[in-house]
Parts: sequence; structure tokens; C-alpha cells
Amino acid sequence: DGGITQSPKYLFRKEGQNVTLSCEQNLNHDAMYWYRQDPGQGLRLIYYSQIVNDFQKGDIAEGYSVSREKKESFPLTVTSAQKNPTAFYLCASSGQGGLNEQFFGPGTRLTVL
Amino acid sequence: GQQVMQIPQYQHVQEGEDFTTYCNSSTTLSNIQWYKQRPGGHPVFLIQLVKSGEVKKQKRLTFQFGEAKKNSSLHITATQTTDVGTYFCAGRGGGAQKLVFGQGTRLTINP
Repeated sequence: DGGITQSPKYLFRKEGQNVTLSCEQNLNHDAMYWYRQDPGQGLRLIYYSQIVNDFQKGDIAEGYSVSREKKESFPLTVTSAQKNPTAFYLCASSGQGGLNEQFFGPGTRLTVL
Repeated sequence: GQQVMQIPQYQHVQEGEDFTTYCNSSTTLSNIQWYKQRPGGHPVFLIQLVKSGEVKKQKRLTFQFGEAKKNSSLHITATQTTDVGTYFCAGRGGGAQKLVFGQGTRLTINP
């Protein structure tokens, strides 16, 4: 089956620890995205990548880092510098160009204790 | 930067009533997309509008794109319990690479 996978579904970490969220897609999409969703809020863009080995900051990139070494993978690291990391994190991918829909993964709910 | 505002934030209706959510952009959009997120789920693409004044229908759902390409609406006729969820609009400004999402409208339905 083609799609986007994110793991794990739930993640708990202690304050001050870095944590990496995985995102893998087998849709052969060039573009990938990371969003953060807080309760009752919309989706805020953290980072996006239009092509392998290239990525751009979104609206709330501070305290996060990404890499795009492979087309299929776009991991997100939530660093200890992120002041309020507890949230629902969604990864998405799309074909190149502005008219393509985004396909979302199931999300990872991160709780920092 | 580009902003997309969506109203209302919440809407509760009786099953069978109609529902409308509105989306307004601070800048002219090249296209607008609508997504639905079921409770506990992830956003799923519904439709895309590109042309000024465009109207598209999917069964009981009607989507409109304003003449100035700065606003859009989603109207659901005769809601059913399966319509429960949060509806997001997402717009892309001319030349922009990224989508900007509205805050979403959460629809709840009394059966």
C-alpha cells in the first residue's frame, strides 16, 4: 500500500531531551512537510522540503531541525530549545508544483514531561 | 506574511441542518484546498479550487472560490453524523511554495 507512515503514534520524553520523529513515504513525492497542531488550533508549518538535500524553514522552525537525505524520509528532531514541545505532529507529502494536494501521515502525539 | 482566517471556530448543529464555514485570505490566492480531519485522525484532502468564482460540488458538499480569489466557503446540506470533524481551508499565494492553513472549523452534530 502506498502512503505515509509516522512512528511512534505516542511518544513521551523528559524535558531537556532531544527527540526525533520519523516520517516515511512511498508515494514517490518530491515535497515533504512537517506541521504542528495544538488543541483547537490549525496546522502550523515547521519545515518543508521540495527536494532531497534541501529544506526551508516554515513559520515556527525555532527549536526544531530536519534532514532530507533520502526522498522517502524526512525526520524531525524536536530539540531541548523548543520551549513548548508537547503537541500533535503531522508529516505530509505532495508532488512537485503548487496544485498538488498534500497527503498526511497519521501523526505523532508528543508529550514532554 | 500571508494569513488565512477561518470562521466560525466551532459550530454545533442538529442532524439534518445545514453548515457553512468561511475562509478569508489577506492576499490573493493562486488556489485553495479544503481538508477534513476526523476526531483523532489526520487531515484528508477534499477538493481544490483554482479559478475565480469556481463552484464545485461533492454530493452534499458545495465549495466556492470568490471572484477576487481571496475567500472561499464550504457548505454542507443536511448534515449527517458522518460529517463530524474539523474542516480546514488552505491557500497558496501567488508564487508561494507553501500552503497556509486556516485555524479550522470544528463541526459537531446532535443526532
